[in-house]
Amino acid sequence: KQEVTQIPAALSVPEGENLVLNCSFTDSAIYNLQWFRQDPGKGLTSLLLIQSSQREQTSGRLNASLDKSSGRSTLYIAASQPGDSATYLCAVRRNTGNQFYFGTGTSLTVIP
Amino acid sequence: DAGVIQSPRHEVTEMGQEVTLRCKPISGHNSLFWYRQTMMRGLELLIYFNNNVPIDDSGMPEDRFSAKMPNASFSTLKIQPSEPRDSAVYFCASSISGGDKAQYFGPGTRLLVL
Repeated sequence: KQEVTQIPAALSVPEGENLVLNCSFTDSAIYNLQWFRQDPGKGLTSLLLIQSSQREQTSGRLNASLDKSSGRSTLYIAASQPGDSATYLCAVRRNTGNQFYFGTGTSLTVIP
Repeated sequence: DAGVIQSPRHEVTEMGQEVTLRCKPISGHNSLFWYRQTMMRGLELLIYFNNNVPIDDSGMPEDRFSAKMPNASFSTLKIQPSEPRDSAVYFCASSISGGDKAQYFGPGTRLLVL
Protein backbone atom coordinates (compact mmCIF):
# COMPACT_ATOMS: atom_id res chain seq x y z
CA LYS A 1 0.00 0.00 0.00
CA GLN A 2 1.21 3.47 -0.87
CA GLU A 3 2.07 5.62 2.15
CA VAL A 4 2.59 9.34 1.84
CA THR A 5 4.38 11.37 4.49
CA GLN A 6 4.75 15.12 4.80
CA ILE A 7 7.38 16.79 6.93
CA PRO A 8 7.21 19.06 8.80
CA ALA A 9 3.65 18.87 10.11
CA ALA A 10 3.73 22.59 10.86
CA LEU A 11 5.97 25.44 9.81
CA SER A 12 6.08 29.09 10.80
CA VAL A 13 8.21 31.58 8.88
CA PRO A 14 8.55 35.36 8.65
CA GLU A 15 7.22 37.06 5.56
CA GLY A 16 9.63 37.17 2.65
CA GLU A 17 11.42 33.92 3.40
CA ASN A 18 11.81 31.17 0.85
CA LEU A 19 10.67 27.79 2.12
CA VAL A 20 10.48 24.13 1.17
CA LEU A 21 7.77 21.62 2.01
CA ASN A 22 8.54 17.93 1.73
CA CYS A 23 6.52 14.95 0.59
CA SER A 24 7.73 11.36 0.50
CA PHE A 25 6.01 8.22 -0.78
CA THR A 26 6.85 4.55 -0.44
CA ASP A 27 5.88 3.16 -3.85
CA SER A 28 7.63 4.77 -6.82
CA ALA A 29 5.15 3.31 -9.32
CA ILE A 30 3.17 6.52 -9.55
CA TYR A 31 1.31 8.13 -12.44
CA ASN A 32 1.54 11.65 -11.09
CA LEU A 33 1.83 13.76 -7.95
CA GLN A 34 -0.38 16.70 -7.13
CA TRP A 35 0.10 19.51 -4.59
CA PHE A 36 -2.97 21.09 -3.01
CA ARG A 37 -3.65 24.01 -0.76
CA GLN A 38 -6.41 24.00 1.85
CA ASP A 39 -7.54 27.11 3.68
CA PRO A 40 -9.31 26.67 7.03
CA GLY A 41 -12.88 25.51 6.54
CA LYS A 42 -12.45 25.30 2.78
CA GLY A 43 -11.93 22.66 0.13
CA LEU A 44 -8.70 21.67 -1.58
CA THR A 45 -7.33 23.83 -4.36
CA SER A 46 -4.98 22.26 -6.88
CA LEU A 47 -1.63 24.06 -7.09
CA LEU A 48 0.63 21.97 -9.26
CA LEU A 49 0.55 18.60 -10.97
CA ILE A 50 3.71 16.73 -11.92
CA GLN A 51 3.53 13.75 -14.23
CA SER A 52 5.79 10.80 -13.43
CA SER A 53 7.96 11.60 -16.45
CA GLN A 54 8.54 15.20 -15.33
CA ARG A 55 11.09 16.59 -12.91
CA GLU A 56 9.43 19.83 -11.95
CA GLN A 57 6.55 22.22 -12.51
CA THR A 58 6.37 25.94 -11.85
CA SER A 59 3.52 28.32 -11.26
CA GLY A 60 4.35 31.85 -10.20
CA ARG A 61 6.22 31.71 -6.90
CA LEU A 62 5.66 27.98 -6.58
CA ASN A 63 7.97 25.27 -7.86
CA ALA A 64 7.37 21.58 -7.33
CA SER A 65 10.00 18.95 -8.01
CA LEU A 66 9.72 15.20 -8.27
CA ASP A 67 12.35 12.51 -7.75
CA LYS A 68 10.38 9.37 -8.40
CA SER A 69 13.24 6.95 -7.81
CA SER A 70 13.81 8.22 -4.29
CA GLY A 71 10.11 8.68 -3.59
CA ARG A 72 10.30 12.40 -2.90
CA SER A 73 8.72 15.65 -3.93
CA THR A 74 9.30 19.18 -2.71
CA LEU A 75 7.20 22.30 -2.97
CA TYR A 76 9.28 25.45 -3.00
CA ILE A 77 7.59 28.75 -2.16
CA ALA A 78 9.58 31.87 -2.97
CA ALA A 79 9.22 35.16 -1.12
CA SER A 80 6.47 33.91 1.17
CA GLN A 81 3.49 36.14 1.96
CA PRO A 82 0.90 36.05 4.77
CA GLY A 83 -1.65 34.99 2.15
CA ASP A 84 0.32 31.77 1.68
CA SER A 85 -0.74 30.66 5.16
CA ALA A 86 -2.70 27.42 4.69
CA THR A 87 -2.31 23.67 4.87
CA TYR A 88 -0.46 22.11 1.94
CA LEU A 89 -1.15 18.52 0.97
CA CYS A 90 0.49 16.27 -1.56
CA ALA A 91 -1.21 13.34 -3.23
CA VAL A 92 0.16 10.59 -5.45
CA ARG A 93 -1.75 8.64 -8.03
CA ARG A 94 -0.69 5.09 -8.73
CA ASN A 95 0.08 3.74 -12.16
CA THR A 96 -2.81 1.31 -11.87
CA GLY A 97 -6.30 2.44 -11.03
CA ASN A 98 -7.45 5.95 -10.24
CA GLN A 99 -6.88 6.06 -6.51
CA PHE A 100 -5.04 8.98 -4.94
CA TYR A 101 -3.09 8.70 -1.70
CA PHE A 102 -2.83 11.82 0.43
CA GLY A 103 -0.26 12.97 2.92
CA THR A 104 -1.34 14.43 6.26
CA GLY A 105 -0.32 17.92 5.21
CA THR A 106 1.96 20.72 6.37
CA SER A 107 0.34 23.66 8.12
CA LEU A 108 2.14 26.82 7.05
CA THR A 109 1.96 30.14 8.86
CA VAL A 110 3.65 33.18 7.32
CA ILE A 111 4.11 35.92 9.91
CA PRO A 112 3.80 39.52 8.68
CA ASP B 1 -16.63 26.49 -16.17
CA ALA B 2 -18.30 25.30 -12.97
CA GLY B 3 -16.22 23.21 -10.62
CA VAL B 4 -17.37 20.29 -8.53
CA ILE B 5 -20.65 21.17 -6.84
CA GLN B 6 -21.67 19.76 -3.47
CA SER B 7 -24.82 20.17 -1.46
CA PRO B 8 -25.66 20.91 1.21
CA ARG B 9 -22.67 22.91 2.39
CA HIS B 10 -23.60 22.40 6.02
CA GLU B 11 -25.78 19.79 7.65
CA VAL B 12 -26.75 19.45 11.29
CA THR B 13 -28.79 16.42 12.23
CA GLU B 14 -29.61 14.24 15.17
CA MET B 15 -28.25 10.81 15.80
CA GLY B 16 -30.26 8.14 14.01
CA GLN B 17 -31.40 10.35 11.18
CA GLU B 18 -30.65 9.67 7.54
CA VAL B 19 -28.21 12.01 5.83
CA THR B 20 -27.79 12.38 2.07
CA LEU B 21 -24.90 14.28 0.57
CA ARG B 22 -24.89 15.22 -3.10
CA CYS B 23 -22.23 15.84 -5.68
CA LYS B 24 -22.13 17.02 -9.26
CA PRO B 25 -18.74 16.40 -10.88
CA ILE B 26 -17.13 18.59 -13.49
CA SER B 27 -18.71 17.97 -16.87
CA GLY B 28 -16.69 15.45 -18.86
CA HIS B 29 -14.96 13.94 -15.84
CA ASN B 30 -15.52 10.20 -15.60
CA SER B 31 -13.99 9.46 -12.19
CA LEU B 32 -15.61 10.56 -8.95
CA PHE B 33 -14.25 10.27 -5.42
CA TRP B 34 -15.82 10.65 -1.97
CA TYR B 35 -13.49 11.61 0.90
CA ARG B 36 -13.96 12.27 4.57
CA GLN B 37 -11.75 14.64 6.52
CA THR B 38 -11.37 14.82 10.29
CA MET B 39 -8.73 16.29 12.53
CA MET B 40 -7.85 12.88 13.89
CA ARG B 41 -7.64 10.88 10.66
CA GLY B 42 -6.96 13.48 8.01
CA LEU B 43 -8.30 12.90 4.50
CA GLU B 44 -9.67 9.41 3.91
CA LEU B 45 -10.91 7.98 0.63
CA LEU B 46 -14.32 6.39 1.13
CA ILE B 47 -15.19 5.22 -2.37
CA TYR B 48 -14.50 6.05 -5.97
CA PHE B 49 -16.39 5.51 -9.20
CA ASN B 50 -15.12 5.16 -12.73
CA ASN B 51 -17.66 5.64 -15.51
CA ASN B 52 -20.44 5.50 -12.88
CA VAL B 53 -19.29 2.10 -11.58
CA PRO B 54 -17.99 1.75 -8.00
CA ILE B 55 -14.40 0.56 -8.25
CA ASP B 56 -13.13 0.58 -4.68
CA ASP B 57 -15.37 0.98 -1.64
CA SER B 58 -12.92 -0.45 0.87
CA GLY B 59 -12.79 2.88 2.65
CA MET B 60 -16.49 2.93 3.45
CA PRO B 61 -16.61 2.67 7.25
CA GLU B 62 -19.51 0.27 7.60
CA ASP B 63 -22.88 -0.74 6.22
CA ARG B 64 -24.44 2.50 7.39
CA PHE B 65 -22.66 4.21 4.51
CA SER B 66 -23.73 3.79 0.90
CA ALA B 67 -22.92 5.66 -2.31
CA LYS B 68 -24.53 5.71 -5.71
CA MET B 69 -23.80 7.25 -9.06
CA PRO B 70 -26.89 6.86 -11.23
CA ASN B 71 -25.45 8.91 -14.07
CA ALA B 72 -22.30 10.78 -15.09
CA SER B 73 -23.41 14.06 -13.54
CA PHE B 74 -24.67 13.05 -10.11
CA SER B 75 -23.63 11.06 -7.08
CA THR B 76 -24.94 10.64 -3.54
CA LEU B 77 -23.40 9.51 -0.29
CA LYS B 78 -25.93 8.33 2.25
CA ILE B 79 -25.51 7.65 5.94
CA GLN B 80 -28.31 5.74 7.63
CA PRO B 81 -28.54 5.84 10.59
CA SER B 82 -26.12 8.65 11.36
CA GLU B 83 -23.97 8.67 14.50
CA PRO B 84 -22.00 11.46 16.23
CA ARG B 85 -18.71 9.89 15.11
CA ASP B 86 -19.75 10.53 11.50
CA SER B 87 -19.28 14.25 12.09
CA ALA B 88 -16.68 15.40 9.58
CA VAL B 89 -16.24 17.30 6.34
CA TYR B 90 -17.14 15.20 3.34
CA PHE B 91 -15.50 16.09 0.04
CA CYS B 92 -16.35 15.04 -3.46
CA ALA B 93 -13.70 15.21 -6.16
CA SER B 94 -13.65 14.41 -9.84
CA SER B 95 -11.05 13.57 -12.41
CA ILE B 96 -10.75 12.52 -16.00
CA SER B 97 -9.19 9.16 -16.72
CA GLY B 98 -7.31 10.52 -19.71
CA GLY B 99 -5.13 13.60 -19.98
CA ASP B 100 -3.31 14.85 -16.92
CA LYS B 101 -5.65 13.03 -14.53
CA ALA B 102 -5.59 15.91 -12.05
CA GLN B 103 -8.15 15.75 -9.27
CA TYR B 104 -10.49 18.64 -8.54
CA PHE B 105 -12.31 19.03 -5.24
CA GLY B 106 -15.68 20.43 -4.32
CA PRO B 107 -16.10 22.83 -1.37
CA GLY B 108 -17.19 20.03 0.95
CA THR B 109 -20.18 19.34 3.18
CA ARG B 110 -19.64 19.99 6.87
CA LEU B 111 -21.70 17.41 8.76
CA LEU B 112 -22.49 17.60 12.45
CA VAL B 113 -24.40 14.74 14.04
CA LEU B 114 -25.70 15.58 17.49
